[in-house]
Formats: sequence, C-alpha cells, structure tokens
Amino acid sequence: NAGVMQNPRHLVRRRGQEARLRCSPMKGHSHVYWYRQLPEEGLKFMVYLQKENIIDESGMPKERFSAEFPKEGPSILRIQQVVRGDSAAYFCASSPQQNNEQFFGPGTRLTVL
Amino acid sequence: KNQVEQSPQSLIILEGKNCTLQCNYTVSPFSNLRWYKQDTGRGPVSLTIMTFSENTKSNGRYTATLDADTKQSSLHITASQLSDSASYICVVSVKSNNDMRFGAGTRLTVKP
Repeated sequence: NAGVMQNPRHLVRRRGQEARLRCSPMKGHSHVYWYRQLPEEGLKFMVYLQKENIIDESGMPKERFSAEFPKEGPSILRIQQVVRGDSAAYFCASSPQQNNEQFFGPGTRLTVL
Repeated sequence: KNQVEQSPQSLIILEGKNCTLQCNYTVSPFSNLRWYKQDTGRGPVSLTIMTFSENTKSNGRYTATLDADTKQSSLHITASQLSDSASYICVVSVKSNNDMRFGAGTRLTVKP
C-alpha cells in the first residue's frame, strides 16, 4: 500500500506563473488536507477536502489559491500568479475518515524566482 | 500567539545521550495530542498519539507524557542515535472540530 504521493517534489516558477501541486492520497483515504511550511516555521493548515467537496478552507489565502479533489484523480493545489512569498514546502496529508490520523506525503518544495 | 508552544527551539546532543522535548498548549477543548518526527526534506511521521485519559505512551526509544491538567506534554528520547536528528512536532487536536494545531517544532541534532 503506497503512502501519500506528491508531485512534483520540487517546482521552480517565475513570478506571475501558475503552480500546480498534486497529491494522491493513500488507497482507501477519501480525506485530503493541504499544509504550508515556511522555512524555519511550523506547518500551517490551508484546506481540507473530501471527494469533490471543500470542507474547510479557512487557512487558504482568499486570492490566487484554489484546491480541488475530483471524483477521479489526485487532489490539486493551484497557485495563480505566484509571488516570492509563496516559496515554501507544501504538504498533503490523507486520512480514511475525518477524525483519524493523518498520513503525510513527502511535500512539494516550491521556489519562486 | 500560537496555541502550541515547543521548547527548546533547537537542541544538540551527543549520540547515546537522552533528551526531553517540551510542548505546552492552550488548545481547548482538547481531543488528542500527537508527536511527529519530520526528517529534513520529508513529511512528518507520527510517533505517538495520546488522548485525555492517557498520560504516557511509548514507541521504542520514544516516550511521550501528557499532563492534561497543566496542558503540558514531553517527548523523551532514550539512547539517541544519529538517525534521531530531525524536527519533532507537537500537534494538538481541538475536540469540537478536530482541527489540528501545530507547534513550530524542536530541531534535534545528534552528533557522533
């Protein structure tokens, strides 16, 4: 049973471009969570999704950021018109149910030039 | 102010020594507390999870304690190994909605 998979592992974008981060949850997990980790800081919750639904996006910036978890395929975190401050590690976690332990992926390191 | 405070921010110890990491929280109502280990360049991996009624939980050389009255937890690492070098993150869940509140972590370096 493969763990949570994220790709790409490293992503470099220039200011103004779009970044798309993908997360495939563990088999049997229908709950996905996205977190952002700035250098030398702790993880910050961004958004919690179930299949085809956004359950909690209270940690998501109001502009330029969006997330989806379609019926088929991975969850996508999309950042439009990236700025240097978006440079961070973005982690995805999944769980089989809402109150269960979350299993983390290896993260995507986004660098905005 | 973060609802989960960890100390020390960083720690260097010699291989074979023991160490204790601290976590104080103000999260309420409390559901559970987890300790995660995050190796450099990797995602966090769960070490222990404790609910309100549990005051100690072990996982190999890792022992976590919880005092729900004082809202303090500690992670004790025995006979440290080089592979213990990592960040250790305390995460407290809120009972009402299971939100997870993350501490900033303690960066542990074990030197030979």
